[in-house]
Amino acid sequence: NAGVTQTPKFQVLKTGQSMTLQCAQDMNHEYMSWYRQDPGMGLRLIHYSVGAGITDQGEVPNGYNVSRSTTEDFPLRLLSAAPSQTSVYFCASGGGARTDTQYFGPGTRLTVL
Amino acid sequence: GDSVTQMEGPVTLSEEACLTINCTYTATGYPSLFWYVQYPGEGLQLLLKATKADDKGSNKGFEATYRKETTSFHLEKGSVQVSDSAVYFCALLSGSARQLTFGSGTQLTVLP
Repeated sequence: NAGVTQTPKFQVLKTGQSMTLQCAQDMNHEYMSWYRQDPGMGLRLIHYSVGAGITDQGEVPNGYNVSRSTTEDFPLRLLSAAPSQTSVYFCASGGGARTDTQYFGPGTRLTVL
Repeated sequence: GDSVTQMEGPVTLSEEACLTINCTYTATGYPSLFWYVQYPGEGLQLLLKATKADDKGSNKGFEATYRKETTSFHLEKGSVQVSDSAVYFCALLSGSARQLTFGSGTQLTVLP
């Protein structure tokens, strides 16, 4: 049981490039989400999904795209990278109830030059 | 909207000192409350949680009590260790949404 996995661990992009951050979970969780972590700001929700085929925007969705074709995978796409997207990105998954714990992946550190 | 206010850091303590990290929240309804810990270079791990008023979450010597009357969920530990050095995040989950709302985090450093 690997939990939540993310790839890559580190990535450097040039402004305007696109890329996909991968996230997978093997716990059969309905709910998956993407957060970004910036110094002094905690974690902010980018996009989330309550099940395969269903996605919605969080607090800071601009510049990011997601899809959920399977229960296990929830990739995050940067369409045209900008320096403001330099951050650490975390994927999380959890059950459907309000009391359920959400489990986080190890993170992807992205630098946009 | 929902919000979490956390004691600002950084906090530096000597080994075996007492720790309190304050956390207060604003939310509609009856949120579940969480403390997550992030060790250097790692992702977030759940430390403890409480899902209703007066519940006490506990783990690894850490405790926090869900106080609805003061809308607080302060993290406490009676005797910290060097290995407790990390960033601690208070978070809530409320209503029908499953998005966590996080505080800004508190950096704790414990010196030997």
